[in-house]
Amino acid sequence: DIVLTQSPALAVSLGQRATISCRASQSVSTSSYNLMHWYQQKPGQQPKLLIYDASNLASSIPARFSGSGSGTDFTLTINPVQADDIATYYCQQSRELPPTFGAGTKLELK
Amino acid sequence: EVQLVESGGGLVQPGRSLKLSCAASGFTFSDYYMAWVRQAPTKGLEWVASISYDGGSTYYRDSVKGRFTISRDNAKSSLYLQMDSLRSEDTATYYCTTDRYGCFDYWGQGVMVTVSS
Repeated sequence: DIVLTQSPALAVSLGQRATISCRASQSVSTSSYNLMHWYQQKPGQQPKLLIYDASNLASSIPARFSGSGSGTDFTLTINPVQADDIATYYCQQSRELPPTFGAGTKLELK
Repeated sequence: EVQLVESGGGLVQPGRSLKLSCAASGFTFSDYYMAWVRQAPTKGLEWVASISYDGGSTYYRDSVKGRFTISRDNAKSSLYLQMDSLRSEDTATYYCTTDRYGCFDYWGQGVMVTVSS
């Protein structure tokens, strides 16, 4: 299985930039697609898709969220961070079965 | 508006069975692969199973193969997960999701399954 590694937590100030990273144990890119996706989960709620195929914003997601990366290294950026963004963020790959998720990065206020 | 509503969760003894259901609305159900993703208490997300548009192809994680069965009824816009021989490690919130080439676009609110004697 492809293992995705995320830092457990990130502390950030409101209005600043947050950069959350995800590293895959092997490439999750094809010649056409970077098959990495990002989700936001707030306590007691279901996850919500933010970014698909590494850099595409999902429907109704604010433009302060962006994604980048290819191969094994991917980044989710939130700029500027708002209070409503305090949540846990998960990366997920769909390059190979089984689809796997990172352990999540908890975004906290500094 | 896409809605996915799970039901059928609860407390069940190890070795027993439970069947989860997911009622879909707001989109053409038969146009989507569907999946179940679970989350153990205070843990991360784990894909469980996926099913193709017409139910002809199914996919499972190794730990549930032979115990869980994913199915769908397109006429009823419904997704199911039959869970047999349940184990304590199956305790989790189970989410019904759309599955677009392995990307989980829309999620239900989840249903809790607790396996305990």
